Amino acid sequence: EAGVTQFPSHSVIEKGQTVTLRCDPISGHDNLYWYRRVMGKEIKFLLHFVKESKQDESGMPNNRFLAERTGGTYSTLKVQPAELEDSGVYFCASSQERLYGYTFGSGTRLTVV
Amino acid sequence: ILNVEQSPQSLHVQEGDSTNFTCSFPSSNFYALHWYRWETAKSPEALFVMTLNGDEKKKGQISATLNTKEGYSYLYIKGSQPEDSATYLCAFPKNSGNTPLVFGKGTRLSVIA
Repeated sequence: EAGVTQFPSHSVIEKGQTVTLRCDPISGHDNLYWYRRVMGKEIKFLLHFVKESKQDESGMPNNRFLAERTGGTYSTLKVQPAELEDSGVYFCASSQERLYGYTFGSGTRLTVV
Repeated sequence: ILNVEQSPQSLHVQEGDSTNFTCSFPSSNFYALHWYRWETAKSPEALFVMTLNGDEKKKGQISATLNTKEGYSYLYIKGSQPEDSATYLCAFPKNSGNTPLVFGKGTRLSVIA
């Protein structure tokens, strides 16, 4: 079975620009999570989708971040406009309903300069 | 506010040494504890999901124990090898079921040949 796939693996953008990250979860996984790790700090939760619905978005830092999951399949996370403090590794994870296993993607390393 | 603490922050050992590190978590409302192994630019790899007090799990030379009453888990690596070099993360679900994880900052292990 294919794992969780994230695109791009790296992105370097200037402050003020827009970036869109994509996550393709494991097929059939209803739960999709976005996390972020800023250098030197812990991985922090951003958002949880169940199918196409936002179950919990309490971790989204501000309204410059917009996540979507159209059709309950892949998800995108858009940062607009990007700020320097948005730099970090953005992880996506997916899981099946009623199970405790979370499978992570390899992350997108975002650098805002 | 859920808080997961890991110690030490980093560790350097010689090849062949055995080592262990600690994860501390809230002992009230315990649901599960996850251990992950993460190498930079790769996906965090699930090692163990621990749910019962007194649980001991083993995968190759890596093992983990769990004490839910006092709120800690130990991860042990017997006979460390250079390929064990990675960041070891523990994480605690916010609630029961498929809910977001709260991560510790990790323990960065370097095994020197």
